[in-house]
Amino acid sequence: QVQLQESGPGLVKPSQTLSLTCTVSGGSISSGDYYWSWIRQSPGKGLEWIGYIYFTGSTYYNASLKSRLTISLDTSKNQFSLKLSSVTAADAAVYYCAREATTGFLRFDPWGQGTLVAVSS
Amino acid sequence: DIQMTQSPSSLSASVGDRVTITCRASHSITIYLNWYQQKPGKAPQLLIYATSSLQTGVPSRFSGSGSGTDFTLTISDLQPEDFATYYCQQTYSMFRTFGQGTKLEIK
Repeated sequence: QVQLQESGPGLVKPSQTLSLTCTVSGGSISSGDYYWSWIRQSPGKGLEWIGYIYFTGSTYYNASLKSRLTISLDTSKNQFSLKLSSVTAADAAVYYCAREATTGFLRFDPWGQGTLVAVSS
Repeated sequence: DIQMTQSPSSLSASVGDRVTITCRASHSITIYLNWYQQKPGKAPQLLIYATSSLQTGVPSRFSGSGSGTDFTLTISDLQPEDFATYYCQQTYSMFRTFGQGTKLEIK
C-alpha cells in the first residue's frame, strides 16, 4: 500500500527557510486521483492544513502561509517538498505529509509518520 | 475560514461504554466532514469520511452522523485501543480546517 515518509532537518534557525521532503512509495505521485498535502501540528494551534500540490504542479496554499510557502513536486523521485521561509518560533511543529483523495470525497489518507521541526538559534 | 468546534475537549469513559463526540461547523458544510483518530506519537488516521462512511478496516463500533453544521462521532462498546484523540475536519471549503480535538481517556 502507499506509504509516505517525511525527511528534513529537525532544527531550523529563526528567519531561515524550513525545507522538508515527502517520499511516496507504493504508488505514483503522478496519479491524478490525489492531492499531495502538508499538514502541521503544534500544541498551540492543533492541526493546521498547509497546502497541497497536484500532479500537474498546481498548488493551493493556506492563505496565512502563502507569502512564505512553496510546495513543489519531483516526479522522477516520487517526492514532493515544502519550503517555508522566514520561520519563527510559531512555525515549530510536527510536520506531516499526506495524500488526499480528489475523487469522491476529499480525505487525508494515508499520512506520513511526521517529522518534528524546532525553531531555535 | 470555516471554524470547527469539538466538544467536549476531553472525556473519560470505561471499556464497554458508548461515547459521543460532537463537532460543530461555523457554516454549513453539508456532509463534507471527516473524523480522524490520533494516538500519542503517531500520525492521525482516517476513521470516517463524508460524515458516515467508514474507512476500510475501521471497526463497525465507530459511526458518524449529522449534516449541515452539527455532526457526531459515536463509539459503541469502547475497546482499550480506542483511547486516543479524535479530530473532525471539514472539506467543504478548499481551505481545510480541523477541530481542536477531543481526548478520550480511560476512567
